[in-house]
This record gives sequence, structure tokens and C-alpha cells, in this order.
Amino acid sequence: SAVISQKPSRDICQRGTSLTIQCQVDSQVTMMFWYRQQPGQSLTLIATANQGSEATYESGFVIDKFPISRPNLTFSTLTVSNMSPEDSSIYLCSVKPPDRVGGYTFGSGTRLTVV
Amino acid sequence: RKEVEQDPGPFNVPEGATVAFNCTYSNSASQSFFWYRQDCRKEPKLLMSVYSSGNEDGRFTAQLNRASQYISLLIRDSKLSDSATYLCVVSGGFKTIFGAGTRLFVKA
Repeated sequence: SAVISQKPSRDICQRGTSLTIQCQVDSQVTMMFWYRQQPGQSLTLIATANQGSEATYESGFVIDKFPISRPNLTFSTLTVSNMSPEDSSIYLCSVKPPDRVGGYTFGSGTRLTVV
Repeated sequence: RKEVEQDPGPFNVPEGATVAFNCTYSNSASQSFFWYRQDCRKEPKLLMSVYSSGNEDGRFTAQLNRASQYISLLIRDSKLSDSATYLCVVSGGFKTIFGAGTRLFVKA
């Protein structure tokens, strides 16, 4: 299955600043997904990142707050902009390799704390 | 009603016990079903897919009941290393929904 390298693994940021999270996949994938997981909660899909087109955002998430880049088929970034303490969460990127029936592979996650 | 619902637990069981988790889903058009395992402070990892006929992988058995819209996970002969959160995942079309997870503690 695909191997995803996600960075940074954790960060503590001041409110009002921005953080960019990177995910590098060891194989080419059409879609990459960005999730948020708040403490004790399930995963919530933020957006789907497609190479060569704008990301598709889920209800409640907007591009100005969570801009995404997808410059090629192995890399994507998610930026958390103008952060507030409510953005403190774990952010995960994910892919669904074509050779793996159904299953998603996740990056190791970025644990973000906004103070 | 949530799209995917799980008993959050925690389930506290002794080593060697058999434990079962259920998960219900609301969208009857859902097509694919999975169980994921998430260790504390780690990312979720696919445990097994769930097929209509039911499937087994070692000590783990997954079953799907489309009529009642639930899936189950049975763990036999529990090990300490089975302690984790088990996420039910339901996919249909372009939408994938993760359950909030069931927490399992296996104690010596």
C-alpha cells in the first residue's frame, strides 16, 4: 500500500498565524483527502485535493481558511489560516490507492495546538 | 440520527475474552464497509473490509447485515495489543463516513 510522509507531526502556534501541512506520497494518486479529527471525535473530511484543479471543500470548510495545493500526483499541502484555538486538532491527509480495494491510507497526522 | 453510529464504549475486557462491536449506518445505498483501528495518538489503519458474505482474518470476524443496516466486528481471544479505538467506515458513491469509534481496553 502507499506510504505517506506527513509533516510537521506536531506544532504549537500563536492565534492569527498560519500553518502549512505537507503530505508526500510514494506513488501517484488521483485524489488526496484532508481530514480533521478533534479530540474524542471521528474524522471529518475537510476537502478533496485533485491534481490540476481546485480542491473540493465539504460543507463548513472554505478555501480562504483552508487553502490547498496539489501541484502533482504525489504531493499536497493544507494551510490552516488565521488560526484560533478552535482550530486545535489533528489534521490527516489520506489517499485511496487504486490497487487497494476500498481502503484508505493515512499520513501519521499533524497535532496542532493554537494558543 | 448520525450517518454512522457506534457505541463509544469503553469496552473493558480481560485477555482471552471475546468482544463484539456493532455499527449502524443510515444510508441504505452505502456500498463499501470497513473497520479501521486507531491507536492512541496514531493515524487510523485499515483492519479489514467487510463483505456481504462475512469475512474472517485470524481472530477477527466482520459481518454485514444490509437489511438491518449494521456491520459488526468480533474479536476472539483478545490480546493486550488489541487495545485501541475501532472505527466503522461506510462508503457510498463519493462519500465516506467515519464513525466516532469504539474504545477497547484489554487487561491482563
